[in-house]
Amino acid sequence: DTGVSQDPRHKITKRGQNVTFRCDPISEHNRLYWYRQTLGQGPEFLTYFQNEAQLEKSRLLSDRFSAERPKGSFSTLEIQRTEQGDSAMYLCASSLVGREGYEQYFGPGTRLTVT
Amino acid sequence: RKEVEQDPGPFNVPEGATVAFNCTYSNSASQSFFWYRQDCRKEPKLLMSVYSSGNEDGRFTAQLNRASQYISLLIRDSKLSDSATYLCAVKKYGQNFVFGPGTRLSVLP
Repeated sequence: DTGVSQDPRHKITKRGQNVTFRCDPISEHNRLYWYRQTLGQGPEFLTYFQNEAQLEKSRLLSDRFSAERPKGSFSTLEIQRTEQGDSAMYLCASSLVGREGYEQYFGPGTRLTVT
Repeated sequence: RKEVEQDPGPFNVPEGATVAFNCTYSNSASQSFFWYRQDCRKEPKLLMSVYSSGNEDGRFTAQLNRASQYISLLIRDSKLSDSATYLCAVKKYGQNFVFGPGTRLSVLP
């Protein structure tokens, strides 16, 4: 399977703990996006990378959230001191800049539950 | 006003019906437009891009109306398997994607 992969698929954590998620994009894609989705809403943009550079961060992304893409391949999203409001599906997507339409493809997501 | 808006539905239609959804966007600088399909508790899957000239793929037709700032998705001869949430996404040049909240479709036997 050469699609976007994410790990873990599910994470249950206690409030106050730190969690880290990983995303592996489609291999030739140079853009990688992170989104958060809650029930009944569309994906909400968090941040994106072009190669290893983080080009944009949502104003909604608090200081507890940090993302990296150190070698321009996989990316990690870390949430420190988790809160119950962080419970959501965290989606990763990738696309190829320069390709007509900038179509992006999503991974299966990491479902986070903060208890 | 939200940047991208959709009627959340649900749209309940019988098999074989034709159904259409609209998605309005507020930023006239938006350049790229997409429809995604999302099944319950799954990731969004790209359904089709929406080009200025429109786009058709089998039973699905997407249109762009820049003057009125909306995109549409038409599904003909709907199947039970078309039941899902349909998300529209809008992108400005050099910026991130903005998704609508989705429109839920239920195709009934």
